Amino acid sequence: DTGVSQDPRHKITKRGQNVTFRCDPISEHNRLYWYRQTLGQGPEFLTYFQNEAQLEKSRLLSDRFSAERPKGSFSTLEIQRTEQGDSAMYLCASSFAGTRIFGPGTRLTVL
Amino acid sequence: DQQVKQNSPSLSVQEGRISILNCDYTNSMFDYFLWYKKYPAEGPTFLISISSIKDKNEDGRFTVFLNKSAKHLSLHIVPSQPGDSAVYFCAASGGGSNYKLTFGKGTLLTVNP
Repeated sequence: DTGVSQDPRHKITKRGQNVTFRCDPISEHNRLYWYRQTLGQGPEFLTYFQNEAQLEKSRLLSDRFSAERPKGSFSTLEIQRTEQGDSAMYLCASSFAGTRIFGPGTRLTVL
Repeated sequence: DQQVKQNSPSLSVQEGRISILNCDYTNSMFDYFLWYKKYPAEGPTFLISISSIKDKNEDGRFTVFLNKSAKHLSLHIVPSQPGDSAVYFCAASGGGSNYKLTFGKGTLLTVNP
């Protein structure tokens, strides 16, 4: 295990469809974060898990977004009824009381 | 409301010279600051950090300076190398939410051979 992995790396979908992304953190990391990055902007915080508990959610996370981390290991981020404004890079990061290590991201394009 | 600002979208320097990237913040509750580097199609990579109890931190070619009274930090890269060409993000945490990093918009550094 050499880093944080995300799947898929790219996703193209039509408006109104649901999409789900997966993040596998570094195995000993108990903290997991989701960020979103749009063109010309820095990453924006979406949500944070400590083990399986979701401890903080951004106002950016509308009711169409849901994130889970069922066993405190991998996490999924689902977007329902996608909109063109959801097009972005979705980044996952993990940490163990230290520096956040980011994954390569999933680039979502909503047509 | 941009709480972390990187006012220079881009910077170009010659190989071997110093690169200075700047960052300003508005939230006085921020107490921990980080710099990340990002190549295209990759996630951000941690470079260096500084706590608000310090005013300088060095790691090899990278030095971060923090001026709390001015709410300003800078990243110095000496000497700059072509492989340093990337987008550099300044980030901050604190103020009751130590889990959330607030990022600036980034500065694209180009180091010319």
